[in-house]
Amino acid sequence: DTAVSQTPKYLVTQMGNDKSIKCEQNLGHDTMYWYKQDSKKFLKIMFSYNNKELIINETVPNRFSPKSPDKAHLNLHINSLELGDSAVYFCASSHFGASVGGYTFGSGTRLTVV
Amino acid sequence: DAKTTQPNSMESNEEEPVHLPCNHSTISGTDYIHWYRQLPSQGPEYVIHGLTSNVNNRMASLAIAEDRKSSTLILHRATLRDAAVYYCILIGTNAGKSTFGDGTTLTVKP
Repeated sequence: DTAVSQTPKYLVTQMGNDKSIKCEQNLGHDTMYWYKQDSKKFLKIMFSYNNKELIINETVPNRFSPKSPDKAHLNLHINSLELGDSAVYFCASSHFGASVGGYTFGSGTRLTVV
Repeated sequence: DAKTTQPNSMESNEEEPVHLPCNHSTISGTDYIHWYRQLPSQGPEYVIHGLTSNVNNRMASLAIAEDRKSSTLILHRATLRDAAVYYCILIGTNAGKSTFGDGTTLTVKP
């Protein structure tokens, strides 16, 4: 069983389209995250939800909207995709605060906007 | 947020020990030191963590300086599969808002 699973693994789409990435965790964690890793490999946090409530919302364009229907799922919807959105997006989960158990990451979604 | 500083890259020979350093001079008393590694085309995976004492697990050892301002991840016998980017991050009062720096790219030569 995959602990943190993301779909799709690859996503190629045209500029201006709207797309969603889904994430599910079966670890019983109460906090989930979205990270973006660009071509320079820098890993930057975008959002975090704890028990379905948004707790971290970094400086991210309004075109990005996370949704957490329950604490095991965190989806990312992106409107009006731009070339600069091309990156690998990682979902992660943890117990709140993450200090003891740390993060568990998914395998990533490689988004290419053409 | 407390930041960490790591060398951009390191090289090792296969089956030799590797010591990966990390500086975190602004660490707070409640920050845990975590290490993750990212293999090519994969998500980061947990390696080890500690607070004050040195730690060992099946993957690696973590040596923490007495003043906690630096730490070293030790891979006892590097294998080709250990070639990855290694990240040292602090997790504590930042409510999970940890900063992953550039990490150290480890190259293992056969």
